Amino acid sequence: TQLLEQSPQFLSIQEGENLTVYCNSSSVFSSLQWYRQEPGEGPVLLVTVVTGGEVKKLKRLTFQFGDARKDSSLHITAAQPGDTGLYLCAGPSGGSYIPTFGRGTSLIVHP
Amino acid sequence: SAVISQKPSRDICQRGTSLTIQCQVDSQVTMMFWYRQQPGQSLTLIATANQGSEATYESGFVIDKFPISRPNLTFSTLTVSNMSPEDSSIYLCSGASTANEQYFGPGTRLTVT
Repeated sequence: TQLLEQSPQFLSIQEGENLTVYCNSSSVFSSLQWYRQEPGEGPVLLVTVVTGGEVKKLKRLTFQFGDARKDSSLHITAAQPGDTGLYLCAGPSGGSYIPTFGRGTSLIVHP
Repeated sequence: SAVISQKPSRDICQRGTSLTIQCQVDSQVTMMFWYRQQPGQSLTLIATANQGSEATYESGFVIDKFPISRPNLTFSTLTVSNMSPEDSSIYLCSGASTANEQYFGPGTRLTVT
């Protein structure tokens, strides 16, 4: 089983601050996905990165896939209370559809 | 994309009983999965629901405890059998047609007393 390590596990910041969440593995992934989950809801897909070195932007969120396709990062600029939630990275394990999820990063943005 | 609904959204059950959770997708998907999640924590895959055949279970999960059905490409059920308080959790289903994305239902919050 391919493992995904996420860090930090918890993050509590003030509105307006920047932050970065990391997702690392010793294995190569064909793609990685980032999800955000709010309390009482299921995870919602934010982005999928496929190409090594790829950078994708979603408003204030910037996603990067490592050149070797073993790691990814999520950077949030000027965080807002609406960004609060559990951020999960995930990728197909062993070349199959079977997904592997990271432990998640619980983010709280205080107004 | 796909929109996924789950029923019930929450339930409180007595130990020793069983609960069946339904998952409906608004379009056909290749794969359907069932997960368990403790609040604030990551997802643990229970099984892959296979259309017209037995589900594929992950290590630590067995068919007798978590029977799964998937009669077609848009519907699946998960039964939590002979429940104990340790089964209290959030149960999520998801659907996917590629390895690059999954769409999740809102979850079923189960409390076993």
